[in-house]
Amino acid sequence: EAGVAQSPRYKIIEKRQSVAFWCNPISGHATLYWYQQILGQGPKLLIQFQNNGVVDDSQLPKDRFSAERLKGVDSTLKIQPAKLEDSAVYLCASSFQGGQPQHFGDGTRLSIL
Amino acid sequence: RKEVEQDPGPFNVPEGATVAFNCTYSNSASQSFFWYRQDCRKEPKLLMSVYSSGNEDGRFTAQLNRASQYISLLIRDSKLSDSATYLCVVYANPDTGNQFYFGTGTSLTVIP
Repeated sequence: EAGVAQSPRYKIIEKRQSVAFWCNPISGHATLYWYQQILGQGPKLLIQFQNNGVVDDSQLPKDRFSAERLKGVDSTLKIQPAKLEDSAVYLCASSFQGGQPQHFGDGTRLSIL
Repeated sequence: RKEVEQDPGPFNVPEGATVAFNCTYSNSASQSFFWYRQDCRKEPKLLMSVYSSGNEDGRFTAQLNRASQYISLLIRDSKLSDSATYLCVVYANPDTGNQFYFGTGTSLTVIP
């Protein structure tokens, strides 16, 4: 079974620039999550999708972050404009249904200069 | 108050030792519990789910105590390859809806 695919693996941008991340979940997984993990901390949920609908985006900084999962399969997360504090690893995860164990992609390591 | 709290460690133990981690959670209605393992600069990987009756997978044993709202992970006969960060994860339904909450992780280093 193919795992969760994410791209790019690394991204370096300057503050105030924009960046986008892509995620393709495991086939058949209805629930997709985007997490932000800052060094030394556990992952923090940014947004959770159930198929193409948003279940929870309460911790997503909506003034600069946006995410979509238009066809209920792959998803994109965008940051515009980026700030220095956005430097982190952005992890995508999927599960068959909400509450079931999640499977994570390799993550995108974002550095803001 | 944080939804999930863990002792960050670090725990430095010799090979062959037994080590235990605890994790407390704040929401008494939490539904599901998991331990994940995260290696340096890698993604979290599911180690085991935690069931009410407790469960064991080889050298790893997980326990859930709903009355005291904590879960534990016991590693017996530690191997060098067990060195990693162990994340406690709770699936709960706070005011904003069901979601997973991660602890900050407990760092384990097994020493030869």
